[in-house]
Amino acid sequence: TQLLEQSPQFLSIQEGENLTVYCNSSSVFSSLQWYRQEPGEGPVLLVTVVTGGEVKKLKRLTFQFGDARKDSSLHITAAQPGDTGLYLCAGGLMGTYKYIFGTGTRLKVLA
Amino acid sequence: DAGVIQSPRHEVTEMGQEVTLRCKPISGHNSLFWYRQTMMRGLELLIYFNNNVPIDDSGMPEDRFSAKMPNASFSTLKIQPSEPRDSAVYFCASSLGDYNEQFFGPGTRLTVL
Repeated sequence: TQLLEQSPQFLSIQEGENLTVYCNSSSVFSSLQWYRQEPGEGPVLLVTVVTGGEVKKLKRLTFQFGDARKDSSLHITAAQPGDTGLYLCAGGLMGTYKYIFGTGTRLKVLA
Repeated sequence: DAGVIQSPRHEVTEMGQEVTLRCKPISGHNSLFWYRQTMMRGLELLIYFNNNVPIDDSGMPEDRFSAKMPNASFSTLKIQPSEPRDSAVYFCASSLGDYNEQFFGPGTRLTVL
């Protein structure tokens, strides 16, 4: 069974701080997605990375796909209260349409 | 544009009762996914439809669970009989094609007493 472990599970930081969330697996993925989910809503896609070593930036968010396509990281610079939410990574299974979701990181940014 | 619509938003029922969850995908999308989310197991794919045809139901936990998609604009997930361990948030998502971005609905929070 493919597993995607995210760390940390919970993170509470002050506004303006930087943070990094990790997504790790022993499996190779065709692509990797990051989602953010707010209470009472479904996950919303932030980014998809496809190539090993790929780096994508979305304003203050930087996403990186590991060279071996087994892991990924999400770095947030100068976090804001609006960044609060559940961050989920999802790995695409090779040769299929399926994505396996990670265990999630619950982020709280205090004003 | 309306996103994925799910109903009801909340459902509380007693063990043994039948539960039907409904989903209206985004118009024009040809792929539909049902997921279940719990604290213990995270977000799990239950079943996937493409062009209204069930392609993969390997994530459906038991025979008590069934899903249908009678047309391109409607899908149901039925649990009969329901059990307390079925309590979770159930999400429907749709996409245009197999590998494109999935758009999630707001979910149905199911509580089985």
